[in-house]
Amino acid sequence: DIQLTQSPSFLSASVGDRVTITCRASQGISNYLAWYQQKPGKAPKLLIYAASTLQSGVPSRFSGSGSGTEFTLTISSLQPEDFATYYCQQPNGYPRTFGGGTKVEIK
Amino acid sequence: QVQLQESGPGLVKPSQTLSLTCTVSGGSISSDSYYWSWIRQPAGKGLEWIGRIYISGNTNYNPSLKTRVTISADTSKNQFSLKLNSVTAADTAVYYCARDSADYLYAFDLWGQGTMVTVSS
Repeated sequence: DIQLTQSPSFLSASVGDRVTITCRASQGISNYLAWYQQKPGKAPKLLIYAASTLQSGVPSRFSGSGSGTEFTLTISSLQPEDFATYYCQQPNGYPRTFGGGTKVEIK
Repeated sequence: QVQLQESGPGLVKPSQTLSLTCTVSGGSISSDSYYWSWIRQPAGKGLEWIGRIYISGNTNYNPSLKTRVTISADTSKNQFSLKLNSVTAADTAVYYCARDSADYLYAFDLWGQGTMVTVSS
């Protein structure tokens, strides 16, 4: 299985902060990496696919980068609605796997 | 606008079979563009991919569950289903159905709202 390690697992930040979350894959996955946002009681929402492509309707303050084994999700200016848990996921191999999640909370 | 909706019993007894259905509305499950998955999430924990089906009938399963899982599709009803047998308390989770395609490099672009399943006697 391809393991995805997210860091940090918890992040406390203020509105307006720049936030970066890292996802490391146990083996190279090219650009087969997606990021999701999940709010309590809701299904995950696709933010970014193919490592850096913004899903339609997602604000431009979200961006993704990376290739191979190291990837980042950046929120350029954190907004109140961005407080949530973020997951990376790899659709490169089977089984599909997710990172452990990063919970972003209000400082 | 395509939507996914999970349905099924919210309570299953240990050792029995968990059966869930995902109904696809606003689009066809028979499209050769899409794959249809089940994903679960225990309370307060992360996401686990269970498996997926393509309209050809081809399936892929998570090896950790493969001996207990069957995913099937019913094109006449525009639904796909999950059966998980010999359940234990460890199978208690919110179960989601989701869609992926090459358009999104196989990321899950569409999700159902999720359905909570509790395994308890």
